Amino acid sequence: ILNVEQSPQSLHVQEGDSTNFTCSFPSSNFYALHWYRWETAKSPEALFVMTLNGDEKKKGRISATLNTKEGYSYLYIKGSQPEDSATYLCAFGPSSGSARQLTFGSGTQLTVLP
Amino acid sequence: DGGITQSPKYLFRKEGQNVTLSCEQNLNHDAMYWYRQDPGQGLRLIYYSQIVNDFQKGDIAEGYSVSREKKESFPLTVTSAQKNPTAFYLCASSSTGWTNEKLFFGSGTQLSVL
Repeated sequence: ILNVEQSPQSLHVQEGDSTNFTCSFPSSNFYALHWYRWETAKSPEALFVMTLNGDEKKKGRISATLNTKEGYSYLYIKGSQPEDSATYLCAFGPSSGSARQLTFGSGTQLTVLP
Repeated sequence: DGGITQSPKYLFRKEGQNVTLSCEQNLNHDAMYWYRQDPGQGLRLIYYSQIVNDFQKGDIAEGYSVSREKKESFPLTVTSAQKNPTAFYLCASSSTGWTNEKLFFGSGTQLSVL
C-alpha cells in the first residue's frame, strides 16, 4: 500500500492571505501527480496533472510545483478568496501507467475567512 | 454539457438489501471508476473498467459488484455482503485510463444504513 500524505489536514486563512500545502508521495516509481479541488456539494475538479520533475503549473492564482526525487508537491494559492474554500486532494500515480493504481491523499481542507 | 451524472444523491439501505448506484457519462471516455470515501481517508478504488464488458477489482471490492454493458454506464451494486456500506461514493471517468490523464468526477452518492 502506497503512502500519500497531505499536510496540513485543515487550515483557516484570512481573505487576501497566500497559503500553501504539501503532498508527499513515494520518491520511487513515479509517473504522475494529480491535484483536485473539491468544493462542498460539488464534484472534485482537476487542477493539474504533473509528470516531470521540476514541473511548475499555474491556473489563475493557484500554482503547483513538483519534486519527484524527494517525493513532494506544493500547491500555492496567492491572495486567497472565499471561493477558494474547498478540500484539495492530491493523487500519486506509479509507473505502472494505469490510473487504477492512483493513490489519493486524505486532502487538505481550506477555509478562507472574509 | 458533457459530464458525469450520479444518482441518487442520497440512498438508504436496509439490512440484507442490495442497492444500486447509477453512474452515467457523456464524455465518450473508455475508463470508468468507482471510489469510496470514508471520513479522514483518501478515496479508495472499488472497481475499475477500461472498456465495455471488462472490469477489474480495486482495493476494496468485497461486497460490491459492477457491470459495464454500455460505454456510458457503470452502475455499482452494494450487496448485503458489504457489512459496512455507509460511505460517500464517487464515480469517475478518464479518456483511456492512463495515469497521466485527469479524472472527471460525478457529484457523489451518500449511502446510509437504516
